[in-house]
Amino acid sequence: DVKVTQSSRYLVKRTGEKVFLECVQDMDHENMFWYRQDPGLGLRLIYFSYDVKMKEKGDIPEGYSVSREKKERFSLILESASTNQTSMYLCASRPSSSYNEQFFGPGTRLTVL
Amino acid sequence: QQQVKQSPQSLIVQKGGISIINCAYENTAFDYFPWYQQFPGKGPALLIAIRPDVSEKKEGRFTISFNKSAKQFSLHIMDSQPGDSATYFCAASKTDKLIFGTGTRLQVFP
Repeated sequence: DVKVTQSSRYLVKRTGEKVFLECVQDMDHENMFWYRQDPGLGLRLIYFSYDVKMKEKGDIPEGYSVSREKKERFSLILESASTNQTSMYLCASRPSSSYNEQFFGPGTRLTVL
Repeated sequence: QQQVKQSPQSLIVQKGGISIINCAYENTAFDYFPWYQQFPGKGPALLIAIRPDVSEKKEGRFTISFNKSAKQFSLHIMDSQPGDSATYFCAASKTDKLIFGTGTRLQVFP
């Protein structure tokens, strides 16, 4: 079974802190994604990566950056956390074809105080 | 901008009934339409998907109906069960990115 793990289920940070969210997948997938999920807004794509050291902006990249140094690991970075970044963050991975299933991790509930 | 509109936001169905969730899209270039199911505390998981060259796809109790001319597609859950209670997301894509709808929270009561 494909497994996508995220470093924390719950995280509480203060405004202005630098926050790292880690995601690891064990199926050698080329593509990895970071979404945020908010009630009434669905899932919105922040960034995605189709290969090591490659990244593409999604629909809401402002205030975020990403890092992919190894194929299995994709990190989301909040450079200076703000209260409007309080959300559920979901990581996903997928083999290279666009028509393949995306496999999601369990999510990280981030609260910024 | 919202490119995939999903309705209703919430749905309550009696056990054994039919649950219907609707989605509409704007971009005629979309060529892949999956539905994801999410249980509380879990990430979404692929339920069923369709390409626009067919008008219907059925997997067990779950059916996608696709209307290319109307740019609409819907999920039908036949004989709904309490275990189907979850949030459902439609999505559409052309390239590497999935555009998700806003989600429908389905509750099936015994």
